[in-house]
Amino acid sequence: AAGVIQSPRHLIKEKRETATLKCYPIPRHDTVYWYQQGPGQDPQFLISFYEKMQSDKGSIPDRFSAQQFSDYHSELNMSSLELGDSALYFCASSRYQETQYFGPGTRLLVL
Amino acid sequence: KQEVTQIPAALSVPEGENLVLNCSFTDSAIYNLQWFRQDPGKGLTSLLLIQSSQREQTSGRLNASLDKSSGRSTLYIAASQPGDSATYLCAVRGQGGSEKLVFGKGTKLTVNP
Repeated sequence: AAGVIQSPRHLIKEKRETATLKCYPIPRHDTVYWYQQGPGQDPQFLISFYEKMQSDKGSIPDRFSAQQFSDYHSELNMSSLELGDSALYFCASSRYQETQYFGPGTRLLVL
Repeated sequence: KQEVTQIPAALSVPEGENLVLNCSFTDSAIYNLQWFRQDPGKGLTSLLLIQSSQREQTSGRLNASLDKSSGRSTLYIAASQPGDSATYLCAVRGQGGSEKLVFGKGTKLTVNP
């Protein structure tokens, strides 16, 4: 069965640089969620989209933005990166209000 | 604000033991509760999802129960195996339209051969 695809799987950036993370949901899923998991921490919800519209917002810094495109894939854009942004970023997808299925994550390291 | 707590933070057992992981949440107005498994540096694998109207779910050697009124869930693992070693995370989804999951900090399980 198809799963959630995230790219890249690993990313190394310098402070103040910009990063773009991509998420391709399971086919026919219309909702995408982004979570951030810091080292030794639990995943924290960032933002979600349903049918290309933002549906919920969590503790996402103003330096981050995200969108969902017409093909339902989503991108998380992170600017002015800080050391504290180093984390595992998960994307999950679902049909509206159904079970969320998580991708393998993108590990971001900011140096 | 929903808070999810998992006890214990770490657990080490010999192979073959039955064990129970605990999860508690502060706001009982939940839509569902999900148990995940996470291997080191890896993604989240969904194990069981319990809707708010359900009392338990079973999958193989795993059984999850939910007592919404008391804000508690347990994950029971029967006949534990070394391959069960991982961190187990509990997450709740609230009612009222928000779909975000609120996670606990997890229980790190080690099953020794």
